Amino acid sequence: LAKTTQPISMDSYEGQEVNITCSHNNIATNDYITWYQQFPSQGPRFIIQGYKTKVTNEVASLFIPADRKSSTLSLPRVSLSDTAVYYCLVGVLGGGADGLTFGKGTHLIIQP
Amino acid sequence: EAGVTQFPSHSVIEKGQTVTLRCDPISGHDNLYWYRRVMGKEIKFLLHFVKESKQDESGMPNNRFLAERTGGTYSTLKVQPAELEDSGVYFCASSQYPDFSGNTIYFGEGSWLTVV
Repeated sequence: LAKTTQPISMDSYEGQEVNITCSHNNIATNDYITWYQQFPSQGPRFIIQGYKTKVTNEVASLFIPADRKSSTLSLPRVSLSDTAVYYCLVGVLGGGADGLTFGKGTHLIIQP
Repeated sequence: EAGVTQFPSHSVIEKGQTVTLRCDPISGHDNLYWYRRVMGKEIKFLLHFVKESKQDESGMPNNRFLAERTGGTYSTLKVQPAELEDSGVYFCASSQYPDFSGNTIYFGEGSWLTVV
């Protein structure tokens, strides 16, 4: 299972665009890249998933370069409620003994 | 549509006691997963059910942990006897398909266990 590396923490201000980059140098051909968001005392919540190039939904955008060794989660115009831990995951669920590995995540703090 | 629900949300027990956590997956999801995060550590995979069968239980820490999913609906995770290091939050998740590619898994709110 590909290991991921993300910043431990980041902070920004309301209304700004926030980009969180994740490195996954050992990503396999059939691995997808998925980002989860977790608020305190809650379970992880799916944000976005992609395989290559760019994916956009109502919450975020995900940019994946051609070599797929990294990915960037982009949150447009963040608000205080976006303060959370963001996890980057790569892998194939059910495809190995490791299951999904969450890593330490990025603690994003949004200030007024 | 109801999400993944877990019970209890919080539990405080004494060392040596038994606790049973329950998870109700999203209706129609054959795949059910248990994860946990203990004291300052990362979220770790415990096991994966496909319907009532254990597909992968490589993450179960030791034989004090027993997971069941009789009938392929809800699942229980029993810790017996509980130890102090078992304190943490236990997440349940479910998905329609086992393949993560292009699929998502949905997590419950977690069951917070404190062993004193």
